[in-house]
Amino acid sequence: ETGVTQSPTHLIKTRGQQVTLRCSSQSGHNTVSWYQQALGQGPQFIFQYYREEENGRGNFPPRFSGLQFPNYSSELNVNALELDDSALYLCASSNRQSGELFFGEGSRLTVL
Amino acid sequence: AQRVTQPEKLLSVFKGAPVELKCNYSYSGSPELFWYVQYSRQRLQLLLRHISRESIKGFTADLNKGETSFHLKKPFAQEEDSAMYYCALREDSNYQLIWGAGTKLIIKP
Repeated sequence: ETGVTQSPTHLIKTRGQQVTLRCSSQSGHNTVSWYQQALGQGPQFIFQYYREEENGRGNFPPRFSGLQFPNYSSELNVNALELDDSALYLCASSNRQSGELFFGEGSRLTVL
Repeated sequence: AQRVTQPEKLLSVFKGAPVELKCNYSYSGSPELFWYVQYSRQRLQLLLRHISRESIKGFTADLNKGETSFHLKKPFAQEEDSAMYYCALREDSNYQLIWGAGTKLIIKP
């Protein structure tokens, strides 16, 4: 059974740029959710995708967007990067009803 | 608004001592509560959930709706319990998880 994988693991961008983060779900999972984790904080829910549609969103602006593909992998896109976007971005996959999230190791984004 | 509060950022206890990590929540519906754990250099993983009523690695947690709490307890701490612990609440409407800020547990030898 393949776990959740995320890429890239680390990246550095400058303010105003755009970034795409990728996530491959664990085999058999149909739901992907994305979280932003700032240093010393718990994960903050960005959004969740189920069967290629967004079906839940946290308090993040529209410049945070995502996609889920037919194979249940997913992308997180962030436009017009701001310094406060610097964080660890976590992807988690699950079966929608179970509630147990399986996390990737995260993508650490630094915005300069 | 729904919130999950973990009042202790850091909890340090000696090996063999009892451990209690506190979690309080505010939610108007029927919550589902979870504890997730992150060991050093590992990814976040589920420790236990209130509906399963299990004991995992010696840890238990009871949902107290009157006190809106879901404290995590272990009678005798082990060094390998040192980790970051997060309490999370799942809304019954959209499956979104709301997380506490986490408690770092250090078990001293």
